[in-house]
Amino acid sequence: QLQLHESGPGLVKPSETLSLTCSVSGGSISSSVYYWDWIRQPPGKGLEWIGKISYSGNTYYNPSLKSRLTISVDTSKNQLSLKIMSVTVADTAVYYCASGFSTSLGNYWGQGTLVIVSS
Amino acid sequence: QSVLTQPPSVSAAPGQTVTISCSGSSPNIGDNYVSWYQQVPGTAPKLLIFENYKRPSGIPDRFSGSKSGTSATLGITGLQTGDEADYYCGTWDNSLSADVFGVGTQLTVL
Repeated sequence: QLQLHESGPGLVKPSETLSLTCSVSGGSISSSVYYWDWIRQPPGKGLEWIGKISYSGNTYYNPSLKSRLTISVDTSKNQLSLKIMSVTVADTAVYYCASGFSTSLGNYWGQGTLVIVSS
Repeated sequence: QSVLTQPPSVSAAPGQTVTISCSGSSPNIGDNYVSWYQQVPGTAPKLLIFENYKRPSGIPDRFSGSKSGTSATLGITGLQTGDEADYYCGTWDNSLSADVFGVGTQLTVL
């Protein structure tokens, strides 16, 4: 059973880069089975898909975030990473990493990490 | 504004049955599998239904999913107070080349 755990700064200043890591255990991030997603949820609001990376390294990004976004994997550390550049207060949210398959998103979820964008 | 439409809230008494709808269009629900998620406030979402109607291991058969055309439905029978949560539908959108979620439906068990 996969286990996912997000980590990173809880406070980021406006215009800076938000960087989060998702550590994966119970399976290999380079497995030819899984897709790896980032999803976020602003306080009191619904889920917003940020993007995903496939086992082959193909990335798919939310069009509204694409210009600021990088999702990558570090196979040596079995980690997934997220970078969002030039953040604003609108990027304040709980950020989740999740893993699924080609036909389903989010079979496994991390517990989420709150990131606040504030000066 | 999401491309998937859900009612903001539904309610029913314990033991009753409730359905939650998710309406989309051809590029999303019409052409792709639908998943459903349950999120108890303060916790991470949990996958309830994938590939329109399949349940992951451990999800009771009180939860069911269906899809017809460009709409999908989540059904919950034998409602329990523990079912109070927000429910989201999700699918891939071929036009956006992106995964999309519905706006979420808050279930209240009276």
